[in-house]
Amino acid sequence: DVKVTQSSRYLVKRTGEKVFLECVQDMDHENMFWYRQDPGLGLRLIYFSYDVKMKEKGDIPEGYSVSREKKERFSLILESASTNQTSMYLCASSFGGRTNTGELFFGEGSRLTVL
Amino acid sequence: AQSVTQLGSHVSVSEGALVLLRCNYSSSVPPYLFWYVQYPNQGLQLLLKYTSAATLVKGINGFEAEFKKSETSFHLTKPSAHMSDAAEYFCAVSKRAQKLVFGQGTRLTINP
Repeated sequence: DVKVTQSSRYLVKRTGEKVFLECVQDMDHENMFWYRQDPGLGLRLIYFSYDVKMKEKGDIPEGYSVSREKKERFSLILESASTNQTSMYLCASSFGGRTNTGELFFGEGSRLTVL
Repeated sequence: AQSVTQLGSHVSVSEGALVLLRCNYSSSVPPYLFWYVQYPNQGLQLLLKYTSAATLVKGINGFEAEFKKSETSFHLTKPSAHMSDAAEYFCAVSKRAQKLVFGQGTRLTINP
């Protein structure tokens, strides 16, 4: 089975702190994604990556950055956390190229609270 | 641009009743369509997907969905609801297997 592991299930941070959310997948997937989930808004794409050291902005990239130094790992960084970044963060991965049907495999999520 | 609209943020049905969750999409090209389910405190898992094969798609846990191009719909159904079906359900669309766009989600409640 595909496994996508997010390093922290629950985090509490203070305004202005730098926050790292880590995601690792074990299926050799080319594509990795970070979504944010908020009630009534569904999932919104923050950043995604189709290859190592490559990143593209999603729909709501402001206030976030990402890093993909290795194929299996995709990190989301909040440079200076703010209260409006309190949310559930979901990492996902998928195959790339011709094997890609668009199906995403998700981690269990990281619930971040910024005080 | 692609988009997805899920009609009804909350749906409540009795145990044993029909479940119908509605999803309409817009896409400029033949889409790939998905339904995902999220149980409390968990990530999303795939229920079923349409990728231009049969228009009636069967998924896990007795769910199925029908792709209707003329109505731009991909509604999710289950003939008989079970208490364990209580969860949030997301419809999603992608164009040629690029990044997914999700709907707002529908929370399904099952009444005993």
